[in-house]
This record gives sequence, C-alpha cells and structure tokens, in this order.
Amino acid sequence: IAGITQAPTSQILAAGRRMTLRCTQDMRHNAMYWYRQDLGLGLRLIHYSNTAGTTGKGEVPDGYSVSRANTDDFPLTLASAVPSQTSVYFCASRAGGAYNEQFFGPGTRLTVL
Amino acid sequence: AQSVTQLGSHVSVSEGALVLLRCNYSSSVPPYLFWYVQYPNQGLQLLLKYTSAATLVKGINGFEAEFKKSETSFHLTKPSAHMSDAAEYFCAVSSPGYKLSFGAGTTVTVRA
Repeated sequence: IAGITQAPTSQILAAGRRMTLRCTQDMRHNAMYWYRQDLGLGLRLIHYSNTAGTTGKGEVPDGYSVSRANTDDFPLTLASAVPSQTSVYFCASRAGGAYNEQFFGPGTRLTVL
Repeated sequence: AQSVTQLGSHVSVSEGALVLLRCNYSSSVPPYLFWYVQYPNQGLQLLLKYTSAATLVKGINGFEAEFKKSETSFHLTKPSAHMSDAAEYFCAVSSPGYKLSFGAGTTVTVRA
C-alpha cells in the first residue's frame, strides 16, 4: 500500500450501534487526524494525534474516541451512533512541521439510521 | 484563532475562461496557507501551499495563488479552465498544534 487507507468505504449503521472506522498510513508520519465533511461546512476536525501514544480533541469531538497505539494506525470509534453522525469521514496524516501539508485518505461514507 | 473564509460556495465558468477562487484568512501569526482540491468521491489532494518563501505560489494542474498580506488574501487562479477542473476546492490555514482550519469550500463547474 502507499499513502493512507481507510475502511470501510461505506457503511449503513443502526442508531445506538458501536462502530470503528479504520485508518492506516505507511508514510511513517507522526501526526494523524480525523475529519468529518458535511455539506456547506467544509472539513471539521474531530480528533488528532501529534505522535504515537498521544491524542487530542478537535473542533467536534463529542461522541467520538480515538487511540494511537502505534505510528501507522489511528482508529476512530463511535460508541453509540446517532443520526447526526451521518457524514463522510476522512483520515489524514502529516510529517514534520506546520508548513507541511496533510495527506488524506479516500474517506468513509457513514449513514446512521 | 486562525480561520479562513471562502467567498462564494459555487463558481461556474466556461471552458477556457479564467478561474478565480477567493480566500481570506485570519491569523495572529504569519500563516501557512494551503489550497486543496477534492474530486467527486475522493479524498483531498494538495494543489499548492504558501510557506513564506515566495508570495506567488505555483501548484499542480496550472493553478497558482498569490499571498497578499495587506489584504489577508490567498486567492487561487487558473488562466484557462478545463473540464477536468470541475471539483470542490478548499482553502486552509495552519492553526496552533499543527492543525489545519478549512474553509467551507467552493464548488467549481465548467461549462462546455
């Protein structure tokens, strides 16, 4: 693989169910991010991790949790999904300083009914 | 706090015409600025970035952007639109903690 992979590509989920979105990168980037994309709102940061073993809250963290056990993987968990979490979720990674760009995965389209 | 505003959620241009997408930023420190493009059903791809080396930045696919500190702007242009430029474009500014703050996006349609 090269870059960032996300799984699943899409998912329909019943409200109240638990769901983990997977993200893996092979670029050895220190920093990783989870965003949600909603029409007219652009991308909003959910959680981030500047290095393995550390995580932080973004703009819209409620209802989501993350872990960063190693450099490559950064899963996002919805403990009890609600319809307002219907969105497209993007994982991203970045190397080095603030002047470096983020690289994005292909996204996961999640529908919560 | 760092933020960006993209003026116009939709832009429609004729093939061969100038593409101009507007982005204004707010930053308490010298900013790093980015333009990303998103094609349908894909992730975001970097078009170009400003990191203070030069005010006119050239990117991929013939796009360029000019950093104007006096106007707090970083507008994206392409002299001649192609059908393949139809996509959504996002402006972003670096925020403390190495995060990015994104604008709401501008959707570009290209008319034949």
